[in-house]
Amino acid sequence: QVQLVESGGGVVQPGRSLRLSCAASGFTFSSYGMHWVRQAPGKGLEWVAVIWYDGSNKYYADSVKGRFTISRDNSKNTLYLQMNSLRAEDTAVYYCATVGANAAFDIWGQGTMVTVSS
Amino acid sequence: EIVLTQSPGTLSLSPGERATLSCRASQSVSSSYLAWYQQKPGQAPRLLIYGASSRATGIPDRFSGSGSGTDFTLTISRLEPEDFAVYYCQQYGSSSWTFGQGTKVEIK
Repeated sequence: QVQLVESGGGVVQPGRSLRLSCAASGFTFSSYGMHWVRQAPGKGLEWVAVIWYDGSNKYYADSVKGRFTISRDNSKNTLYLQMNSLRAEDTAVYYCATVGANAAFDIWGQGTMVTVSS
Repeated sequence: EIVLTQSPGTLSLSPGERATLSCRASQSVSSSYLAWYQQKPGQAPRLLIYGASSRATGIPDRFSGSGSGTDFTLTISRLEPEDFAVYYCQQYGSSSWTFGQGTKVEIK
């Protein structure tokens, strides 16, 4: 079945780095653009970054620009989010999601929690 | 950046009642790029509506979306027990995606 599984979350100190992964299965990963979306505890949804199906274009929210890098390996059906210079306000559940019809977020993973704390 | 404002913040209704949720944009949004999501506690969001009015796969027809320009609406014609959740609108434009702050539909 169609599935996205995030991993790599955990507790990290401010200023440190973390890399999240999102493993895709059940669909042709290389045909889909992919997003990262996050949700701080008790808060709403915030779009983080998007990458085109072939990696040719990448866009970021202003809040993470210059600190986070989205990438993908279509041979491994895996999406990544490299997070550097982490701040307390980056604490959130991070979801990966496919770019669906009309640029909507179609298929979602279950999320991975990132906590930035000393 | 386009800001989406959802109202009300909380909607208290009984099963069987009609729910009307509003999403207002700070500037005009292409109807093609307005979507609605449902999120239950501890779960990932689920796409309900895309293109302002098209239901996603498997979404019951009691969910409908409408609107254009800066004003969009999600309507749940008759609330079922499983519909009590938080709902978010979302727009895409100029290589940026934004969400509204959410409306919680709770049992009265």
